[in-house]
Amino acid sequence: DIVVTQSPDSPAVSLGERATINCKSSQSVLYSSNNQDYLAWYQQKPGQPPKLLIYWASTRESGVPDRFSGSGSGTDFTLTISSLQAEDVAVYYCQQYYDTPYTFGQGTKLEIK
Amino acid sequence: EVQLVESGGGLVQPGGSLRLSCAGSGFTFSTHWMSWVRQAPGKGLEWVANIKQDGGEKGYVDSVKGRFTISRDNAKNSLYLQMNSLRAEDTAVYYCARSYFSRALFDSWGQGTLVTVSS
Repeated sequence: DIVVTQSPDSPAVSLGERATINCKSSQSVLYSSNNQDYLAWYQQKPGQPPKLLIYWASTRESGVPDRFSGSGSGTDFTLTISSLQAEDVAVYYCQQYYDTPYTFGQGTKLEIK
Repeated sequence: EVQLVESGGGLVQPGGSLRLSCAGSGFTFSTHWMSWVRQAPGKGLEWVANIKQDGGEKGYVDSVKGRFTISRDNAKNSLYLQMNSLRAEDTAVYYCARSYFSRALFDSWGQGTLVTVSS
């Protein structure tokens, strides 16, 4: 199984500041035939289902604010929120959809400092 | 608007069975892989099972193989999860999720249904 590990666990960031969440997979999720990284990011707020933010490691889902961006390739990935807003307080998950079982990171709880 | 509505959750004793349903609307159900993803109370997300558009291919996480069965009825725009031999560790909110671009990239989620396995 591909193990996906996120860091840090629960960062606290000031409003308007940059927030960065890292995600590392135990093996590469880059599919050579299409040169795509099978890595997604989701946001989950309390009492709500997850919401897709980023897929193919760096493609923003329609309607997602452009302060959210994804980067990385192979085994190391990053979700960046360029200027933290109050509504961004949530738990963020990365997920590999490269191979079954499709695994998620443990989650990163983003809080306001 | 894409909608996924789960039902069928509840309290069941260890060793018991439960059948979850998910009704899809606002999209062409038969053209998407579909999945069940669960979340234990206060914990992270775990993919449980998925099924191809025509039902001809299915996948499961090891912990539910032989106990859970995923199925679909495209005529009814519905997804199902038959859960047998339930264990305490199966206690979770179960989400129905639609896939696009890839069989396990989840772009739409239902609100979830809670399954509690307890005596």
